[in-house]
Amino acid sequence: AQSVSQHNHHVILSEAASLELGCNYSYGGTVNLFWYVQYPGQHLQLLLKYFSGDPLVKGIKGFEAEFIKSKFSFNLRKPSVQWSDTAEYFCAVNAGSGGYNKLIFGAGTRLAVHP
Amino acid sequence: DTAVSQTPKYLVTQMGNDKSIKCEQNLGHDTMYWYKQDSKKFLKIMFSYNNKELIINETVPNRFSPKSPDKAHLNLHINSLELGDSAVYFCASSPSGGQTQYFGPGTRLLVL
Repeated sequence: AQSVSQHNHHVILSEAASLELGCNYSYGGTVNLFWYVQYPGQHLQLLLKYFSGDPLVKGIKGFEAEFIKSKFSFNLRKPSVQWSDTAEYFCAVNAGSGGYNKLIFGAGTRLAVHP
Repeated sequence: DTAVSQTPKYLVTQMGNDKSIKCEQNLGHDTMYWYKQDSKKFLKIMFSYNNKELIINETVPNRFSPKSPDKAHLNLHINSLELGDSAVYFCASSPSGGQTQYFGPGTRLLVL
């Protein structure tokens, strides 16, 4: 069965610290991977996505993620976090078939950044 | 302009009532979705429609009935509301054949 696992449920960092959020997936088909962010009280916004090509993907707001096929991983990174990065982060895999999309989400990681 | 909009934003109701949530997208997408986010922030797909046709139904109780009057709208009607239906419901859309889904602001449903 398709699944996404996010290892860190809560992460607390100080401003300027580096961030890495883990994401592992279980899916037998061609993977399309996503990171979404949900700021407090807001909707999900796409941070970045991987479909094919360069496994190091750059997204908005200085975030990047690396797809490592051998490890079934798609970890999210940012070299220096800001207070405004406080949010919930969701990793997702597209588990659809036949041209239809079906996102399977991880449980989310709540990031709190202290000034 | 709001790309994916939902109404209402908040919905408080009693057990046993019937309620509807509406979703509209102005992105010209062919595919729309409903997701449920529970109190632990876990997101799970419920339904997907492509050009008004149901293509994904993820073992959701039949008290939930989606309706797509046209490809820009996907409404969710819930009969006989239960306490466990309390959640945030997100609508999303994507272009046909496209992978990226764009989410609406969510509807926070509280069943008392």
